[in-house]
Amino acid sequence: DAKTTQPNSMESNEEEPVHLPCNHSTISGTDYIHWYRQLPSQGPEYVIHGLTSNVNNRMASLAIAEDRKSSTLILHRATLRDAAVYYCILRTGNQFYFGTGTSLTVIP
Amino acid sequence: EPEVTQTPSHQVTQMGQEVILRCVPISNHLYFYWYRQILGQKVEFLVSFYNNEISEKSEIFDDQFSVERPDGSNFTLKIRSTKLEDSAMYFCASTPGQWDNEQFFGPGTRLTVL
Repeated sequence: DAKTTQPNSMESNEEEPVHLPCNHSTISGTDYIHWYRQLPSQGPEYVIHGLTSNVNNRMASLAIAEDRKSSTLILHRATLRDAAVYYCILRTGNQFYFGTGTSLTVIP
Repeated sequence: EPEVTQTPSHQVTQMGQEVILRCVPISNHLYFYWYRQILGQKVEFLVSFYNNEISEKSEIFDDQFSVERPDGSNFTLKIRSTKLEDSAMYFCASTPGQWDNEQFFGPGTRLTVL
């Protein structure tokens, strides 16, 4: 019973923007959308979160569809250090429901 | 920079044995979490903990599991009688407050049940 669905893998060239999509068609009105990433052999690391409006921070941007059934994480300029598994997550109360993640490969 | 630490990094145990996984959250954080990640699968929420009580738990967190903050720094996850399917990476995380969105994760403990 997946709450979020993501492509298994994506590739990007270094220095180019990356758009990582996520579908969350069963999202409820109070669920927050979170993105975390996991580098090899490390724990997940916070990237960004939002509720309804688009969000920007130093790491990335989050574009949320008007109906909130999908969102896109945008890395403006991919670097080799951005190679990781990116998880789209719904936060319900204090429970975080991770998706299966998108493995991002950055090509030099 | 403060970080969440976990010990041991790898724990091997026999089926039916009890294991205790240890975590030291960031010192001024008040909310603590455990997650598990079976090899090749997604990260799954187990439990959240605040003020010496379980705040929320998932259906995975059954009577075999328990959590404790035995002192001012450690946060532990106990599995009473391990099963083969408990083999996974277990991650601890902490946040300063209940509704903080940035969870700080530890590096994980790999549990192998033989």
